[in-house]
Amino acid sequence: AQSVTQLGSHVSVSEGALVLLRCNYSSSVPPYLFWYVQYPNQGLQLLLKYTSAATLVKGINGFEAEFKKSETSFHLTKPSAHMSDAAEYFCAVRNQAGTALIFGKGTTLSVSS
Amino acid sequence: DTAVSQTPKYLVTQMGNDKSIKCEQNLGHDTMYWYKQDSKKFLKIMFSYNNKELIINETVPNRFSPKSPDKAHLNLHINSLELGDSAVYFCASSQEGSDYGYTFGSGTRLTVV
Repeated sequence: AQSVTQLGSHVSVSEGALVLLRCNYSSSVPPYLFWYVQYPNQGLQLLLKYTSAATLVKGINGFEAEFKKSETSFHLTKPSAHMSDAAEYFCAVRNQAGTALIFGKGTTLSVSS
Repeated sequence: DTAVSQTPKYLVTQMGNDKSIKCEQNLGHDTMYWYKQDSKKFLKIMFSYNNKELIINETVPNRFSPKSPDKAHLNLHINSLELGDSAVYFCASSQEGSDYGYTFGSGTRLTVV
C-alpha cells in the first residue's frame, strides 16, 4: 500500500534561511506525489505535485520539490524563508486505486525573525 | 466564488445528537471526498464518491454516512455523536483521471460535548 513518511514533526528556521521539509514515500507503482500547506484555521492548499513528468517540480510561493526514485524521496525546499511561510505542511501520495490521497503526519514550519 | 464550500464552519453539539455537514463544489469535478483531521492534525480519508461508486474507509464507523443529492454536493451525516468524533472535517473534490490533486474546503470544526 502507498504511504508517506514526513521526517520531523517540527522544523524551525530563521527568516531568509533555507527551508527543507522531508518526505519519503512507499509505493508499489510509480507514485503521484503532492505537497499541501495548511495555514491556521484554513483548508489545505496545493503547493505542487509530481506526476511522472519532470523530477524537479516548481510550485507556488517559491517552493520546489525534487523526486528522487533511488531515495524514494520528495523533499520540499525554499531558498529563503519568509514569515508568512509559517504553517503546517503535508506530503501526500495518491493510492494505487486512485481513489484517495494518503497524507503524512505533517510538519509544522516555524519562521523566526 | 468559493470552489469548495462547507457549512457550517463550526458545530458544537451534545453527545447522542445527529448532525449533518454540507459540502458543495462549483468546479465541475466528478469526485468528492470527506477527510477527518484529528487533534494531532492527522488527515484520514473517510469516503470518496463519484457518480459510479462510493468507497468507504473500512475504519469509519457506520454512524457516518455520506449523502450526495447531485454531482456538486456531498453531505456528511453523523448519527449518535460521540466525544471522539470531535475533529475538523474537510470536504474535497477532484476530477477522475486528472493529476491536479484535490481542492479542499476550509473545514468544519465539530465539537461534541
